[in-house]
Amino acid sequence: DVKVTQSSRYLVKRTGEKVFLECVQDMDHENMFWYRQDPGLGLRLIYFSYDVKMKEKGDIPEGYSVSREKKERFSLILESASTNQTSMYLCASSQQNTGELFFGEGSRLTVL
Amino acid sequence: RKEVEQDPGPFNVPEGATVAFNCTYSNSASQSFFWYRQDCRKEPKLLMSVYSSGNEDGRFTAQLNRASQYISLLIRDSKLSDSATYLCVVNPQHGNKLVFGAGTILRVKS
Repeated sequence: DVKVTQSSRYLVKRTGEKVFLECVQDMDHENMFWYRQDPGLGLRLIYFSYDVKMKEKGDIPEGYSVSREKKERFSLILESASTNQTSMYLCASSQQNTGELFFGEGSRLTVL
Repeated sequence: RKEVEQDPGPFNVPEGATVAFNCTYSNSASQSFFWYRQDCRKEPKLLMSVYSSGNEDGRFTAQLNRASQYISLLIRDSKLSDSATYLCVVNPQHGNKLVFGAGTILRVKS
């Protein structure tokens, strides 16, 4: 069964802390994505990567960075967490030029 | 204006009802279209792609109207298990960057 695994389902952090969200996929997909999902706003793309060591900004990259050192792993980093980054974070992967994204179960981050 | 707009609902319907959702998109050059389903506290999953000629998968029918820039999803004979949020998804250009609508909530009641 294909799988996208996110390292943490629930996290609680304090303002100013550095936060790492890890995502691993086992489908050998080229593309990987990080979204955040907020009520009424839907999924918004933070960053995506279409190859190892490649990254592109999505619609809301401010306050975030990413790392893709291996094909199967895509990390989202919050250098200094703020309360407005409290959200559900969803990682996804896909093959090139398809509309089917495979999502992880999500990481619910609360920043106090 | 949002790139992809949906009526948030909720749509409350009895079992067996037919229900339809619409979604509008702003970029007339958009290339491909999809419906995703998201159950409560779960991740989104692809329900079906939307083709220009319309397509059907069991009780689900998707339609695309390029002239009016909208996509529709029709669910016939609704089941309790159809209760979910339905996300309209558009690929504005060739490539991999999908744009999601905020979703329409469907509640099917017995």
